[in-house]
Amino acid sequence: QKEVEQDPGPLSVPEGAIVSLNCTYSNSAFQYFMWYRQYSRKGPELLMYTYSSGNKEDGRFTAQVDKSSKYISLFIRDSQPSDSATYLCAMTGGTGGYNKLIFGAGTRLAVHP
Amino acid sequence: EAGVAQSPRYKIIEKRQSVAFWCNPISGHATLYWYQQILGQGPKLLIQFQNNGVVDDSQLPKDRFSAERLKGVDSTLKIQPAKLEDSAVYLCASTQLAGARTDTQYFGPGTRLTVL
Repeated sequence: QKEVEQDPGPLSVPEGAIVSLNCTYSNSAFQYFMWYRQYSRKGPELLMYTYSSGNKEDGRFTAQVDKSSKYISLFIRDSQPSDSATYLCAMTGGTGGYNKLIFGAGTRLAVHP
Repeated sequence: EAGVAQSPRYKIIEKRQSVAFWCNPISGHATLYWYQQILGQGPKLLIQFQNNGVVDDSQLPKDRFSAERLKGVDSTLKIQPAKLEDSAVYLCASTQLAGARTDTQYFGPGTRLTVL
């Protein structure tokens, strides 16, 4: 079993839709949860960062963490064609002491006009 | 602020050949990472440097991969000899602080390696 599971999609939605992206994980020691966005032929860039359980909102983006279920989500409101990218969840806080990130496989999102 | 620079952007080699990738992190960043991203997968950490010392190379295939970070700045990742399964994008990232879990990792554009 992978430490982090993420549905690769692809997910295709119309412009303006609410998008829900999810990851599950198995390591209960994870405490720091991130969402990265990766455009084609580019490196990942950090979108959202959440510590432990709870919600965090930034503009059209909301990140949720449910540690009891080992489940994290990213919601995108009023999706735009410019949101078309691969979204990677990542987490850390396990053994090792350094910020070694464990990434999900990424979900490809396409927002069509 | 300039981002993380990587070169070359693309490389095609035949199996058993050697190849080297170069990374210049953001100025002043203490920690540098090399990741391997196989098509359809998330990035996997190969090696992490803090200044010019290695703090994690547990997933680096040391029989064929090597990396160094001279003077705590630039870094090179080498593969010798390459195998077909090494075809991937090699990403370099850096963080300002040393060892802080909350520090943002800034990624370069990656080097796309194709091994024929």
